[in-house]
Amino acid sequence: EVQLVESGGGLVQPGRSLRLSCAASGFTFDDYAMHWVRQAPGKGLEWVSGISWNSGSIGYADSVKGRFTISRDNAKNSLYLQMNSLRAEDTALYYCAKAPLGVVIPHFDYWGQGTLVTVSS
Amino acid sequence: QSALTQPRSVSGSPGQSVTISCTGTSSDVGGYNYVSWYQQHPGKAPKLMIYDVSKRPSGVPDRFSGSKSGNTASLTISGLQAEDEADYYCCSYAGSYTGVFGTGTKVTVL
Repeated sequence: EVQLVESGGGLVQPGRSLRLSCAASGFTFDDYAMHWVRQAPGKGLEWVSGISWNSGSIGYADSVKGRFTISRDNAKNSLYLQMNSLRAEDTALYYCAKAPLGVVIPHFDYWGQGTLVTVSS
Repeated sequence: QSALTQPRSVSGSPGQSVTISCTGTSSDVGGYNYVSWYQQHPGKAPKLMIYDVSKRPSGVPDRFSGSKSGNTASLTISGLQAEDEADYYCCSYAGSYTGVFGTGTKVTVL
């Protein structure tokens, strides 16, 4: 059974940093691209970032480019999102999502339950 | 990376059909056959309903179908059922390893 478990969310002050993690199990992690998708409270879905199976291809939404860094450790079956210079508008539930292919196409066949990030002073 | 445009809400009676549109540009929806659709019930993670414009994952009822014409993709739910009441989002590849979601549509079963 595919499982994606996010962690690392919490309350953080504007301008500070936070690192999210996603522990994957139930599939061959290094065969597939992975993504982060967020959803602000009461709002719609927003694609944040995606990484190919071998980290060779990476993409970011304009809203986070230059502030967020996606990475993965295939030996640990884990996906990460380093978030720097956080802003109030980054407040959201952050989902880890698996792609059905190794390439960075925004198509997600499995989702975690999300980790909540709140940016506030 | 502007959000794709979806109607805020659509509604229908049980057994009827509803169609949700998803309008983008030639840089996203119109440029690639990589449009997917997600169903989200309140408090739950999204669920994949359609991918590659019109393909259905195993386990998704064939009442759900997808299509695309130009810069607009569509999701049709035929034979609407009470459990179809949810929010629906389209998503498209936008080039350079990026994606963009639609604004979301609330489907109400009357």
